[in-house]
Amino acid sequence: DSGVTQTPKHLITATGQRVTLRCSPRSGDLSVYWYQQSLDQGLQFLIQYYNGEERAKGNILERFSAQQFPDLHSELNLSSLELGDSALYFCASSGPLSGGAPVTDTQYFGPGTRLTVL
Amino acid sequence: AQSVAQPEDQVNVAEGNPLTVKCTYSVSGNPYLFWYVQYPNRGLQFLLKYITGDNLVKGSYGFEAEFNKSQTSFHLKKPSALVSDSALYFCAVRPWGSGYALNFGKGTSLLVTP
Repeated sequence: DSGVTQTPKHLITATGQRVTLRCSPRSGDLSVYWYQQSLDQGLQFLIQYYNGEERAKGNILERFSAQQFPDLHSELNLSSLELGDSALYFCASSGPLSGGAPVTDTQYFGPGTRLTVL
Repeated sequence: AQSVAQPEDQVNVAEGNPLTVKCTYSVSGNPYLFWYVQYPNRGLQFLLKYITGDNLVKGSYGFEAEFNKSQTSFHLKKPSALVSDSALYFCAVRPWGSGYALNFGKGTSLLVTP
């Protein structure tokens, strides 16, 4: 158990709908990362938040957005869903930064949310 | 692009034999390299990382990896494979100075047969 929790485990929805995925980082971790795992694209970085602020952006679609709340949990919002958005969505967390760089570089992953768009 | 490559989609090895899962990297500057394992219907579990220092890195579950700068490789190894090691293995790089996200390889499926 990595200490990172994600809810829900599974989500089935229809095209055009909007869903919210939730992540709670390990105790003490300030950074949260979102990744998407699909058969054709592999594991891709979407977005990173650090202590409530967006830190880095990857291949995140404009239909997707995220935020990190004061209690450090994060939510990934996916809207206008398409069939191709079906994937495993992982959240990871890592420790605090020092001098601009992570004190510990290891990212610990949650169990993921499997999204199926029908 | 700063990336890693895993040249093998699948590696088959008999239980008790040594195993190697290959990874090569392409980055500018000093790479931070990682190995993760994914069991069916589970998240990614951290195995080990190379940041700096000794080229041989020891990790969880008896795994180790050797950083080779001249060959730009970071192969994962284990002296004696177990059936329970069967899983999907990912190599990843955190490119220097480009934020903290990981770039993952496409993964290598390891099958250990009894």
